[in-house]
Amino acid sequence: DAGVIQSPRHEVTEMGQEVTLRCKPISGHNSLFWYRQTMMRGLELLIYFNNNVPIDDSGMPEDRFSAKMPNASFSTLKIQPSEPRDSAVYFCASSLGQDRVGYGYTFGSGTRLTVV
Amino acid sequence: DQQVKQNSPSLSVQEGRISILNCDYTNSMFDYFLWYKKYPAEGPTFLISISSIKDKNEDGRFTVFLNKSAKHLSLHIVPSQPGDSAVYFCAAKGAGFMEYGNKLVFGAGTILRVKS
Repeated sequence: DAGVIQSPRHEVTEMGQEVTLRCKPISGHNSLFWYRQTMMRGLELLIYFNNNVPIDDSGMPEDRFSAKMPNASFSTLKIQPSEPRDSAVYFCASSLGQDRVGYGYTFGSGTRLTVV
Repeated sequence: DQQVKQNSPSLSVQEGRISILNCDYTNSMFDYFLWYKKYPAEGPTFLISISSIKDKNEDGRFTVFLNKSAKHLSLHIVPSQPGDSAVYFCAAKGAGFMEYGNKLVFGAGTILRVKS
C-alpha cells in the first residue's frame, strides 16, 4: 500500500489566487481528515469525512475554505481566495472508522503552502 | 481553547538518558490517547497509545503513563537515541462515536533533540 498520497508537496501562490490541495486515502479506509499545522497551534483539525460525507467542519477557518470528497479514493481542500495567513503545512489523514485498536491515523506527507 | 496541551515547546536530552514528554488535557470525555512522532518533511506517524482504563502501556523503549485524576499523560523514552529527535504530538479521542466521531484532538507538539 502506498499510504496516504497528497499533492502537490509544495505550493507557492500569490495572494488572491485559488489553491487546491489533493488527497488519496488508503484503500479501505472510510474516514478522511484534513489538518493544518502551524507553529502556534500545532495540528488543527479542519474537517473530516466518514464514508465520503462531511461530519465535522467546525475547524474550517472561514468561507474561503471548502472541502469535498466525491468518492472513497479522493478528496480536495480548496482555498479561494488565498491569503498569506493561510501559509502552513496541510496534512491529510485516513483511518478505519471507529478504529479502537490504537493505530490511529495514517498521515500523508503534507502539502507546504506558501501564499505571497 | 486547546483541549490538549503540550506546554514544553522543546526538550533537549543527552543520548542514553531518559526523555520525558508531557501532555495535559481538559476534556474528561477523552478515553483514548495516542502519541505521534514527526520527522521534518514527513507526516506524523503513530508511536504508542493508551486506553483510559489503563495507567501504563509499554512498547520497547517507549512507555506512556496516564494519570486520569490529574488529566495528564507522559511519554518516556529510555534510553534516548539521536534518531528519536523529532516532534512529538500528543492526541486524544473522545468517548462515544455519535458525539465525537473518530476525530483526534492534537496538542501543539514538543520538539525533542537527543544529543550524541
